[in-house]
Amino acid sequence: SQTIHQWPATLVQPVGSPLSLECTVEGTSNPNLYWYRQAAGRGLQLLFYSVGIGQISSEVPQNLSASRPQDRQFILSSKKLLLSDSGFYLCAWSRVAVGTDTQYFGPGTRLTVL
Amino acid sequence: AQSVTQPDIHITVSEGASLELRCNYSYGATPYLFWYVQSPGQGLQLLLKYFSGDTLVQGIKGFEAEFKRSQSSFNLRKPSVHWSDAAEYFCAVGGNNDMRFGAGTRLTVKP
Repeated sequence: SQTIHQWPATLVQPVGSPLSLECTVEGTSNPNLYWYRQAAGRGLQLLFYSVGIGQISSEVPQNLSASRPQDRQFILSSKKLLLSDSGFYLCAWSRVAVGTDTQYFGPGTRLTVL
Repeated sequence: AQSVTQPDIHITVSEGASLELRCNYSYGATPYLFWYVQSPGQGLQLLLKYFSGDTLVQGIKGFEAEFKRSQSSFNLRKPSVHWSDAAEYFCAVGGNNDMRFGAGTRLTVKP
């Protein structure tokens, strides 16, 4: 069966510090991978998605970036965090193209920027 | 681009009562529609989805949803709510290489 892991589970970082969140998927190959941010009362915002190694699509211009160094690894990064980057970050995967298939979500990372 | 509206931010129902959570979408073609549930501090779990065919779809945990094209709606229902159903519920619409989630409806269940 497929599983999706995210770490860390929680993170408290000062403004201006770097960020690296990691997501890995097991039990499947060539998944489509997604990063979402969830702010309180605002639902989920799609940040990035990837259909393959090195292929990243950005949905929202911001100071975050994503990379996919391996087939089942997806990393969310920032060089300098802002207060507005606080939120709950969710990684997800699907078998086929975004919007046409079930997405399976990881447990999330709670990021607080102080 | 598609969009989703969940008009109710917070709903409270008594245990054993029926439930309906509203979802309206905007999309130019036939949409892919989803309902997800999120327990506090957790990821999202799929309850059910509609791609085509029968407009009444059954999901896990006794939930069902009905696609009504004329009303651009995909409301979620459950005939008898259990205390364990307390969570946040998200409607989503997909298609055209895009996926949009509603802002969510928080469900509280009274004993």
